[in-house]
Amino acid sequence: SQQGEEDPQALSIQEGENATMNCSYKTSINNLQWYRQNSGRGLVHLILIRSNEREKHSGRLRVTLDTSKKSSSLLITASRAADTASYFCATAGGGFKTIFGAGTRLFVKA
Amino acid sequence: DTEVTQTPKHLVMGMTNKKSLKCEQHMGHRAMYWYKQKAKKPPELMFVYSYEKLSINESVPSRFSPECPNSSLLNLHLHALQPEDSALYLCASSQDFGEKLFFGSGTQLSVL
Repeated sequence: SQQGEEDPQALSIQEGENATMNCSYKTSINNLQWYRQNSGRGLVHLILIRSNEREKHSGRLRVTLDTSKKSSSLLITASRAADTASYFCATAGGGFKTIFGAGTRLFVKA
Repeated sequence: DTEVTQTPKHLVMGMTNKKSLKCEQHMGHRAMYWYKQKAKKPPELMFVYSYEKLSINESVPSRFSPECPNSSLLNLHLHALQPEDSALYLCASSQDFGEKLFFGSGTQLSVL
């Protein structure tokens, strides 16, 4: 079952621009994670933000979490062509499951 | 070693075949997972194992049979699959539930 929605579904930008993706979810969570997937490959973990955190940074990535709105955003600054991929948020509640959102397909034009 | 290894990378099988997907991790993770992913869709959870015991079965049809022979290995046995079962099958592991998932590169399965 899918936890939430991401928007936009697809995003096309020029190299050097910033890319922002949003994720909404439905139930209470312990943490929210972002993953990246290159076409037809396995997913790679990018960043994890816990429910008591509001913002987290990792290199060119910035993640925010608003638990009152049940939403998160991922900002990639100074995008590169190599950032072209699908990006998924995933939520972990109190059980065994990590559930993925619908994903945003990012295309960065060189 | 922070890798999850999946074999085979590609598999084509007929609807009467029996095949198995294999997954291995040597990170000492307690949790291992099978996800199914259709093209342009998010991964969907199938099974979760904790300390080699099946903890979650997301109402997966019995033609998919998981097995965890030991803490490092996870198999998915396939029998009498349907064409709609064609998908990318992903194995993952994590130190604990809800923590960072480490994914294998997946098995692209085609059922003819």
